[in-house]
Amino acid sequence: KNEVEQSPQNLTAQEGEFITINCSYSVGISALHWLQQHPGGGIVSLFMLSSGKKKHGRLIATINIQEKHSSLHITASHPRDSAVYICAVPSGGSNYKLTFGKGTLLTVNP
Amino acid sequence: KAGVTQTPRYLIKTRGQQVTLSCSPISGHRSVSWYQQTPGQGLQFLFEYFSETQRNKGNFPGRFSGRQFSNSRSEMNVSTLELGDSALYLCASQTGGTSGGARNEQFFGPGTRLTVL
Repeated sequence: KNEVEQSPQNLTAQEGEFITINCSYSVGISALHWLQQHPGGGIVSLFMLSSGKKKHGRLIATINIQEKHSSLHITASHPRDSAVYICAVPSGGSNYKLTFGKGTLLTVNP
Repeated sequence: KAGVTQTPRYLIKTRGQQVTLSCSPISGHRSVSWYQQTPGQGLQFLFEYFSETQRNKGNFPGRFSGRQFSNSRSEMNVSTLELGDSALYLCASQTGGTSGGARNEQFFGPGTRLTVL
């Protein structure tokens, strides 16, 4: 089973700050998912990446396959970015059987 | 394209009852995965269906079961409900191909919040 560790568990930032959330996993994978969940809300898939870097607006995700590590960055953070960010990786030999990190609760204050 | 829909959105049941939740995937997607989210355990994989067959299964007791219909819609059933089954149940759809790449991206539904009293 793939073990997934996220850090930090909680993060409080001021509006405009640069945010970094980290994710490490134990077993080699084909792709890693970053998900966002607002309080009381559903889950949105932000990124699925297997190598290098992806960017979408103010969000950037990077992955280092050799180091088994991924980071999610938020530039110029905004209060609407306040949410739980979760990384997930395939486990048990299937791309569709995901193991999730415990999530990082991000609070961005105005 | 319509997103993933789940019904009902909220459910209240009592211990010992059974419940059926429904998930309609994005048109064209043949794979549906189910997840349970609780404050204590976080998100956990329940099972995945592809072309009406269970292709992957998580570590949940046999009280948790599912099925998929020919139109790719999926249902999950929980029998003999326990207090600990109170959770947000999420389904996600994906195209379902066996190779990697964009076909593995999952699109989540809004979830069904189940409360067991």
